[in-house]
Amino acid sequence: GNSVTQMEGPVTLSEEAFLTINCTYTATGYPSLFWYVQYPGEGLQLLLKATKADDKGSNKGFEATYRKETTSFHLEKGSVQVSDSAVYFCALSDNDYKLSFGAGTTVTVRA
Amino acid sequence: NAGVTQTPKFQVLKTGQSMTLQCAQDMNHEYMSWYRQDPGMGLRLIHYSVGAGITDQGEVPNGYNVSRSTTEDFPLRLLSAAPSQTSVYFCASSEGDLTEAFFGQGTRLTVV
Repeated sequence: GNSVTQMEGPVTLSEEAFLTINCTYTATGYPSLFWYVQYPGEGLQLLLKATKADDKGSNKGFEATYRKETTSFHLEKGSVQVSDSAVYFCALSDNDYKLSFGAGTTVTVRA
Repeated sequence: NAGVTQTPKFQVLKTGQSMTLQCAQDMNHEYMSWYRQDPGMGLRLIHYSVGAGITDQGEVPNGYNVSRSTTEDFPLRLLSAAPSQTSVYFCASSEGDLTEAFFGQGTRLTVV
């Protein structure tokens, strides 16, 4: 079956620090990969996605590259802000109408 | 454009009570699903639907029922609430597989 493993948190950073959250996946087919973000008290919203190998998704300064050879989709941001404090979820969808999520990584950015 | 609307936002139930969590979307999406979010476990799929009149079980369906009589609505029913069902519930919709899912704000349910 499909599964997603992401690095455990929580992660605490200072403003302007570099953020990386590791994500690896297992899938039987050729999935699409997603990063969702959940701000405090809100639902999940899509941060970025990639639909095929070597694609790079990007949004709001965040980037992630679909690496089929390492089955990874690591999230990175070069300079975080306090407003980036949230829970980040890696997810995949593999032609079966369903999303498989990682456990989530809580990120706290201090001023 | 409201997107995905869930009601209620908060609910406390006693063990054995029943209730329905409502979910409605106005984007004419065929695919709708219910997830529960528990600490350290991410989101787990409860039930999903690929269109009106069609539903199927997800990863953790026990204790929950769903129906899909219209494209817009996808209610989740707890027939006899148990403390293990204390969780945050999210409804989501999407145009199809491999596309972005849009989530509601969530329902925080506590069963005492």
